[in-house]
Amino acid sequence: NAGVTQTPKFQVLKTGQSMTLQCAQDMNHNSMYWYRQDPGMGLRLIYYSASEGTTDKGEVPNGYNVSRLNKREFSLRLESAAPSQTSVYFCASSVVGRLQTEAFFGQGTRLTVV
Amino acid sequence: DQQVKQNSPSLSVQEGRISILNCDYTNSMFDYFLWYKKYPAEGPTFLISISSIKDKNEDGRFTVFLNKSAKHLSLHIVPSQPGDSAVYFCAASDGNNDMRFGAGTRLTVKP
Repeated sequence: NAGVTQTPKFQVLKTGQSMTLQCAQDMNHNSMYWYRQDPGMGLRLIYYSASEGTTDKGEVPNGYNVSRLNKREFSLRLESAAPSQTSVYFCASSVVGRLQTEAFFGQGTRLTVV
Repeated sequence: DQQVKQNSPSLSVQEGRISILNCDYTNSMFDYFLWYKKYPAEGPTFLISISSIKDKNEDGRFTVFLNKSAKHLSLHIVPSQPGDSAVYFCAASDGNNDMRFGAGTRLTVKP
């Protein structure tokens, strides 16, 4: 049981380059999320998807786009990378009801923009 | 505007003693609270949760207390073990999908 799988694990980009972070879950969860973790800031929500076909902005969406390709996959795209987007990115998934259950996280993607 | 705050960046305790990690929140719409544990180079993993209809939830060595009037929750670990050394994140949800996290507290348990 793989849980939540993120690729790649590490990436270095030049300013202005684009890339897509991939995320897949095999737990049949409805909701998927993208977070970024920065020192002293905790995890901040970038985008989330409550179900297949829907996406919504989180706390820090600027500079990012997302695609909920199907129930399993939720990708995050940086169209024109900036040094401020240097961070560790985590994908997560959860079952959501009236009381939100815990989210399961991937191992993270460490992105450096130079 | 951080709606969930963990004011202690780090905590050090002796093995066998109690660890108390604190968390404050500002949004009165939050009704579900979670603690996550994170080891280096890994994603956070769920530890324990509590809904706003309760004031205490216990799971083995871990207990979470919720004080709604003070908008405060705490995680107690008794007894603390060296393997508990990690970063602990407090998180809160209003029942929708937007779960907010605190900045984390690094716990070190010394043998």
